[in-house]
Amino acid sequence: QVHLVESGGGVVQPGGSLRLSCAASAFTFSSYGMHWVRQAPGKGLEWVAFIRYDGSIKYYADFVKGRFTISRDDSKNTLYLQMNSLRAEDTAVYYCAKEKGVSFFDFWGQGTLVTVSS
Amino acid sequence: DIQMTQSPSTLSASVGDRVTITCRASQSTSSWLAWYQHKPGKAPKLLIYKASSLESGVPSRFSGSGSGTEFTLTISSLQPDDFATYYCQQYKNYSRLTFGGGTKVEIK
Repeated sequence: QVHLVESGGGVVQPGGSLRLSCAASAFTFSSYGMHWVRQAPGKGLEWVAFIRYDGSIKYYADFVKGRFTISRDDSKNTLYLQMNSLRAEDTAVYYCAKEKGVSFFDFWGQGTLVTVSS
Repeated sequence: DIQMTQSPSTLSASVGDRVTITCRASQSTSSWLAWYQHKPGKAPKLLIYKASSLESGVPSRFSGSGSGTEFTLTISSLQPDDFATYYCQQYKNYSRLTFGGGTKVEIK
């Protein structure tokens, strides 16, 4: 069964940085596009970023463009999200999600909580 | 960006009820729409893709319909495991994916 496990969340001060990881297993990671989606406390789901299966194309939501970077290491079956210049409004549970077809998600991780607070 | 609007935001229903959730798009998404179920502390679960295709392993009481700008998710007979929040998501604009605001299905 496909397994996605996020890690790297925690408490960080405004302006700080954090790198999230998503360890994937039980599927051919290098064949699939991957996404990050977040959910702020009490709010709905919000798409954050996408990386194509070969890493050649990346898309970002406007609210993270220039601050967050998505990347992948297929040798480690791991997806990353480097988050810089963090703001209070970035506080959320961050989920990684595997793409099925084009840009919808058939498997998600359980999420990792990022709290941006002084 | 394509804005997705779900209604209602909260729905109170009883086991056995037929439940319908609506999702409207600010512009046509053709049939490029998915539905997810999300429970607190759990990973979201794909229910429906391409507006009406049932994901493997999802009970047949779930169904999706619609195209263009108006879509519905129907649960034909609500079960105890179905109390959750449901989200629609468009993928017509695959560089700017957007979700609806969610519909929480509560026990009446």
